[in-house]
Amino acid sequence: DAGVIQSPRHEVTEMGQEVTLRCKPISGHDYLFWYRQTMMRGLELLIYFNNNVPIDDSGMPEDRFSAKMPNASFSTLKIQPSEPRDSAVYFCASTQGLAALNEQFFGPGTRLTVL
Amino acid sequence: DQQVKQNSPSLSVQEGRISILNCDYTNSMFDYFLWYKKYPAEGPTFLISISSIKDKNEDGRFTVFLNKSAKHLSLHIVPSQPGDSAVYFCAASADNNNDMRFGAGTRLTVKP
Repeated sequence: DAGVIQSPRHEVTEMGQEVTLRCKPISGHDYLFWYRQTMMRGLELLIYFNNNVPIDDSGMPEDRFSAKMPNASFSTLKIQPSEPRDSAVYFCASTQGLAALNEQFFGPGTRLTVL
Repeated sequence: DQQVKQNSPSLSVQEGRISILNCDYTNSMFDYFLWYKKYPAEGPTFLISISSIKDKNEDGRFTVFLNKSAKHLSLHIVPSQPGDSAVYFCAASADNNNDMRFGAGTRLTVKP
């Protein structure tokens, strides 16, 4: 398996534009997580899905952020409109089984820069 | 609210010596703890874990210690190697809650 795949690896956009980040989890994994990494707060959990259903989105910072998982092999994180303070590295991770007890497998991340 | 805290943003150690990375947590419901390692331009990778029923778990050069009464855990690397230079994240979860909380990370530099 190729591991968790994220695209794009880098995204530079202007304030106000819509940004869509993509993730393909490891085949067979039933949990998918979106994280944001910043210098100040480290890795923050934004939202996670179980069997394509959003379970907890309490970490999503604002209504400008939305995430979907239309099927078991694809998820998107959308920011609309984007702002400079959204600049960060966004990671997708997946795992199988009880997420609390199993290691998560992370993708390489998407580095987002909003000018 | 940072439920998992890594108060040292960076640590520098000489090759061959011991590296000790610390982590504190506030949520007494946490009962499973993990350490992840992250190299630049890569995602974090799992390193070692410990359940709350134990106070120590060892895997080669890596040992994690858990002090539940103090809500503190630490990762010991001995002997440290230059290839261990990375950012280390502490994470915690509760088995009645399927998410995981991460600390802000500690950047370890092992000097040759």
